[in-house]
Amino acid sequence: SQQGEEDPQALSIQEGENATMNCSYKTSINNLQWYRQNSGRGLVHLILIRSNEREKHSGRLRVTLDTSKKSSSLLITASRAADTASYFCATADIDTGGFKTIFGAGTRLFVKA
Amino acid sequence: NAGVTQTPKFQVLKTGQSMTLQCAQDMNHNSMYWYRQDPGMGLRLIYYSASEGTTDKGEVPNGYNVSRLNKREFSLRLESAAPSQTSVYFCASSARTVLDQPQHFGDGTRLSIL
Repeated sequence: SQQGEEDPQALSIQEGENATMNCSYKTSINNLQWYRQNSGRGLVHLILIRSNEREKHSGRLRVTLDTSKKSSSLLITASRAADTASYFCATADIDTGGFKTIFGAGTRLFVKA
Repeated sequence: NAGVTQTPKFQVLKTGQSMTLQCAQDMNHNSMYWYRQDPGMGLRLIYYSASEGTTDKGEVPNGYNVSRLNKREFSLRLESAAPSQTSVYFCASSARTVLDQPQHFGDGTRLSIL
């Protein structure tokens, strides 16, 4: 079963706009990670936020985490055509030592030039 | 720096044939993973190896076997391929546990079973 669930499933925006993707999860976590996947490629790690953190920034990326609501959001500011990709959240099942990573189904982002 | 290398990139099999997918990493990572990705779904963990010499089942291990050959290499074997195993397979590695380290992914093996 999937623990991370992204919302929306797909998002189409104009270049320069901001893109917000949300992720919900079900169990206790140590951290939550966001990955990007370009078409035909493997996943690339973007950012990790720990359970005791509420917000984290990396360049044009801003991630928030609300452990009380078991949710996270990824904001990409001033989007570019090169940001077109699928974005996945992932959580590690701490009950199994953290090795069993659960990925959501992803949000497909399309940025129009 | 190659990172995680998977071979082959594409493969077509007939039902019942066997196949080994190869994965190697050059980052001296302890942990390695095999996932499958089906259309419209996230990655599902098949098997993982927390460290050299150990392997454990993930979410969807049925129909697969793995071997952690050494610290660098982690192979996935389909003993008798079935159409339901048509998927894109990704290998990943991480420095320690995923509790505090990101995973690095290969570019995948696209496997079709007829």
